[in-house]
Amino acid sequence: QKEVEQDPGPLSVPEGAIVSLNCTYSNSAFQYFMWYRQYSRKGPELLMYTYSSGNKEDGRFTAQVDKSSKYISLFIRDSQPSDSATYLCAMSAVGRDDKIIFGKGTRLHILP
Amino acid sequence: DTEVTQTPKHLVMGMTNKKSLKCEQHMGHRAMYWYKQKAKKPPELMFVYSYEKLSINESVPSRFSPECPNSSLLNLHLHALQPEDSALYLCASSPNRFGEQFFGPGTRLTVL
Repeated sequence: QKEVEQDPGPLSVPEGAIVSLNCTYSNSAFQYFMWYRQYSRKGPELLMYTYSSGNKEDGRFTAQVDKSSKYISLFIRDSQPSDSATYLCAMSAVGRDDKIIFGKGTRLHILP
Repeated sequence: DTEVTQTPKHLVMGMTNKKSLKCEQHMGHRAMYWYKQKAKKPPELMFVYSYEKLSINESVPSRFSPECPNSSLLNLHLHALQPEDSALYLCASSPNRFGEQFFGPGTRLTVL
């Protein structure tokens, strides 16, 4: 079982829809959770950073962490064509040698 | 200044060339990273510098040689690369060892 599982997609949704992106993980030591957005041929851009369980909202983006289920989500409201990108989840833990572990990334297409 | 910069944006080199990639951040971050990313794959960690000292080398071949001249700068020296080393090379920095990482735009390297 991989440490972090993420459906690679592609996921296609109509403009204006709510998008739900998810990752599961197996290591209960993970405490720090991140979502990155990466456009083609660009570097990843940090969207959300959360510690432990709970929700965090920033504009149209909401990140949820459920440590009991080892499940994290990113919701995008009122999706726009400019949201079309690859979304990478990532997580890390104290004592894990400075590393963050990435999911494979989900390719998202917002259809105009 | 809240960004990580990388130069050059593109680099084409032969297998006998020596070149260097440069990365700079002025956010006061004390951890800096080199990643390699192939198409449709997540970033793959190569090296970690913490407080200007190499703390992780992910068994990277010696044809890649990192250098951290000071807390703001990170170099990656390249020599005798192979065509399979062609990829997007990403630099990242972090305020602490297991928190969020901020990525630069990357250098797209092609080895002929």
